Amino acid sequence: NAGVTQTPKFRVLKTGQSMTLLCAQDMNHEYMYWYRQDPGMGLRLIHYSVGEGTTAKGEVPDGYNVSRLKKQNFLLGLESAAPSQTSVYFCASTRLAVNNEQFFGPGTRLTVL
Amino acid sequence: GDSVTQMEGPVTLSEEAFLTINCTYTATGYPSLFWYVQYPGEGLQLLLKATKADDKGSNKGFEATYRKETTSFHLEKGSVQVSDSAVYFCALRPGAGSYQLTFGKGTKLSVIP
Repeated sequence: NAGVTQTPKFRVLKTGQSMTLLCAQDMNHEYMYWYRQDPGMGLRLIHYSVGEGTTAKGEVPDGYNVSRLKKQNFLLGLESAAPSQTSVYFCASTRLAVNNEQFFGPGTRLTVL
Repeated sequence: GDSVTQMEGPVTLSEEAFLTINCTYTATGYPSLFWYVQYPGEGLQLLLKATKADDKGSNKGFEATYRKETTSFHLEKGSVQVSDSAVYFCALRPGAGSYQLTFGKGTKLSVIP
């Protein structure tokens, strides 16, 4: 099992450009999440999904969109990147069961110039 | 709302020293509590968890006890190793029916030989 994988690992964008981050999990998990990690801020939830075809906003959703067309994939989109979106992005997934842990991907480091 | 407060780092210890990283929380109901560890350049991994008051989570020599009376979940290890150098995150998940995690800001631990 690969667990949770993220593509790409690194990316540099110019302000105003768009991009999509891909998260894939092979554990048949129902829930998937996108977080951003910034120095001194811990992890903050951007969007999450409780199943195929459903998404919901987290703590810091502005400037991002998501889609979950297949159960194993969760896409995070930036339509018009801004320097404030420079961050490390983590995807996670978990099974629909009480007290289950979240499994994290290795992260994507995004720099917006 | 729910929140997690953990001691600010960075923390630098000599090998074989005793480690304590404090974590306190604010939550309604009966949350589950977690410690995650992030090694350099990697995603987060679950280190240990506790799901009810007085539970003790343990793994790889680390321990933490869920103290409802003091709303705390302090991480301890009796003898740290250089390989324990990482960032440690305390997190909580609210009671049954919620699958979102609230993270503390993280504590960076450096262990020197």
